Amino acid sequence: EIVLTQSPGTLSLSPGERATLSCRASQSVISRYVAWYQQKPSQAPRLLIYGASSRATGIPDRFSGSGSGTDFTLTISRLEPEDFAVYYCQHYATSFTFGPGTKVEIK
Amino acid sequence: QVQLQESGPGLVKPSGTLSLTCTVSGDSVSSDSYYWTWIRQSPGKGLEWIGYIYFSGSTNYNPSLESRVTISVDTSKNQFSLNLSSVTAADTAVYYCARVSRYYDLDSWGQGTLVTVSS
Repeated sequence: EIVLTQSPGTLSLSPGERATLSCRASQSVISRYVAWYQQKPSQAPRLLIYGASSRATGIPDRFSGSGSGTDFTLTISRLEPEDFAVYYCQHYATSFTFGPGTKVEIK
Repeated sequence: QVQLQESGPGLVKPSGTLSLTCTVSGDSVSSDSYYWTWIRQSPGKGLEWIGYIYFSGSTNYNPSLESRVTISVDTSKNQFSLNLSSVTAADTAVYYCARVSRYYDLDSWGQGTLVTVSS
């Protein structure tokens, strides 16, 4: 079973700063099946990135995804006030696996 | 634009069966382009995949829940459903239904429904 680890657990930044979130898989995975989600309090997760690097419909271009093998990154180029939330990575092999999440909070 | 809506009891007794339905609008559960899935999130915790179903009725379940889970589809009502048996307090969570795209990402989600297991 593939395990996803996200770091850091919490990221404290100010609006306008760059956020770099990491997702590491316990073994090499197929990039095509790596996704990132944003979740705000009391809301369902929202798909941001699919296929490791493709933005979902309606997602601003300040969000970007990259990576391959075991290491994947979600970058928010300049944080907007609405970007403070929890972010999850996800992978599918024969089952779906989610990382534990990174909380991006206002510094 | 596809929309998903969960429905079902918000309170289930221990050892009972949790039953939820997801009603899909703006798309068809009979589409051969997607799977339909259930995800849950315990209070203050992360996301846990429960299982998914294809319009044909084929399913895939989380091995940790497989012995207690049944997911079914009703194409005539454009719905799919979740049954989770022998529930305990550990099954208390917000349950989401979602659509699985061809890249095995979850591109549309319901708003979620809180199910509490308590006597």
